[in-house]
Amino acid sequence: KAGVTQTPRYLIKTRGQQVTLSCSPISGHRSVSWYQQTPGQGLQFLFEYFSETQRNKGNFPGRFSGRQFSNSRSEMNVSTLELGDSALYLCASSLGGAGAETQYFGPGTRLLVL
Amino acid sequence: DAKTTQPPSMDCAEGRAANLPCNHSTISGNEYVYWYRQIHSQGPQYIIHGLKNNETNEMASLIITEDRKSSTLILPHATLRDTAVYYCIVRGGPMDSSYKLIFGSGTRLLVRP
Repeated sequence: KAGVTQTPRYLIKTRGQQVTLSCSPISGHRSVSWYQQTPGQGLQFLFEYFSETQRNKGNFPGRFSGRQFSNSRSEMNVSTLELGDSALYLCASSLGGAGAETQYFGPGTRLLVL
Repeated sequence: DAKTTQPPSMDCAEGRAANLPCNHSTISGNEYVYWYRQIHSQGPQYIIHGLKNNETNEMASLIITEDRKSSTLILPHATLRDTAVYYCIVRGGPMDSSYKLIFGSGTRLLVRP
């Protein structure tokens, strides 16, 4: 089975712009979670989607949003980019049944905001 | 906040066993212990998880103490490619609706040639 894929792998944007990142989960997985990793804050949970609905959300401003499509692929969007949004953005997929299941991570998208 | 405490760094010699400890003294009865590792800015890689029994797979073994307040991840024959940051995470079981992993700072393992 193919693993979680994320596109693009690298991205450079300037302050004020917006960005959209994409994640394709493992085949058959219906839950997609997004995480942000920075040197200062480490790995932090952004949100999780299941069946096109956001099920859980972390403590990030409304500039961070996401969605999930009927094929379970997910996108996250960051509007009005700030320098502090420079980070590795990771998505993880799981089967999506009730409760905590093993999440499998993609390679990440490295975003640099100038 | 992370529910686990790990040493910030460890090292071991190539070919020897690497034993990575994790303290989770506040773990509750239905919470699992998960281990992931992250090799230099790649996505975290799932290693193993367990509830109360010891677990073994092709990558590692997980030893959980009887009181479940601590655990040890064992890489039986460490190689240079095992150099990574190892994260121990406590999360809920089948009825947990949190769906998120809370990462601490992890243990940076350096495998020496």
